[in-house]
Amino acid sequence: AQSVTQLDSQVPVFEEAPVELRCNYSSSVSVYLFWYVQYPNQGLQLLLKYLSGSTLVKGINGFEAEFNKSQTSFHLRKPSVHISDTAEYFCAVNAGGTSYGKLTFGQGTILTVHP
Amino acid sequence: DAGVIQSPRHEVTEMGQEVTLRCKPISGHDYLFWYRQTMMRGLELLIYFNNNVPIDDSGMPEDRFSAKMPNASFSTLKIQPSEPRDSAVYFCASSSGAGGQETQYFGPGTRLLVL
Repeated sequence: AQSVTQLDSQVPVFEEAPVELRCNYSSSVSVYLFWYVQYPNQGLQLLLKYLSGSTLVKGINGFEAEFNKSQTSFHLRKPSVHISDTAEYFCAVNAGGTSYGKLTFGQGTILTVHP
Repeated sequence: DAGVIQSPRHEVTEMGQEVTLRCKPISGHDYLFWYRQTMMRGLELLIYFNNNVPIDDSGMPEDRFSAKMPNASFSTLKIQPSEPRDSAVYFCASSSGAGGQETQYFGPGTRLLVL
């Protein structure tokens, strides 16, 4: 079985400061990892995903994430946040193969960017 | 493309009434997913379809919930009878393929309130 733990439920930060949203996963097989973002009153949209290859993945809006297999982590980072980054962020894992695309989501981290 | 379309966007009903949520996936996508989001349980996968056929409904909470996909461009999630604990945001998502690497595209959600 696969599971995802997002270590922070809320992260407040000032504009232009760096931010890291933490995600740990557990799975008995190789996984695909995703970060989705949900803006208020909207559906989720993909920020970035790790499938294979380079462990540093770049996504939209200046976000990046690093896959660390030994620590089973996939932390999301941005060097300088904007007010518009205020949203809820979800880490998700998919074991592929016979899981037929089933995503297991973490509980979400609410990022609030203050002016 | 218009993206995933869901209707209605908001639904308020009374306990015991039947509720029908609708979804139009992105054209050409062969997988469709129904999720429920609540504060307590986060984002849960209820059921998903491949080529209009239900593949996994293990997330459907109970017999009061049913989902259908009569054709490639339309799916419904029905709750009968509805209960206050069904209050949540229901999302539909679609993807092209489901080997695990594919991005899921989410609709804007239906916010359901059962009084």
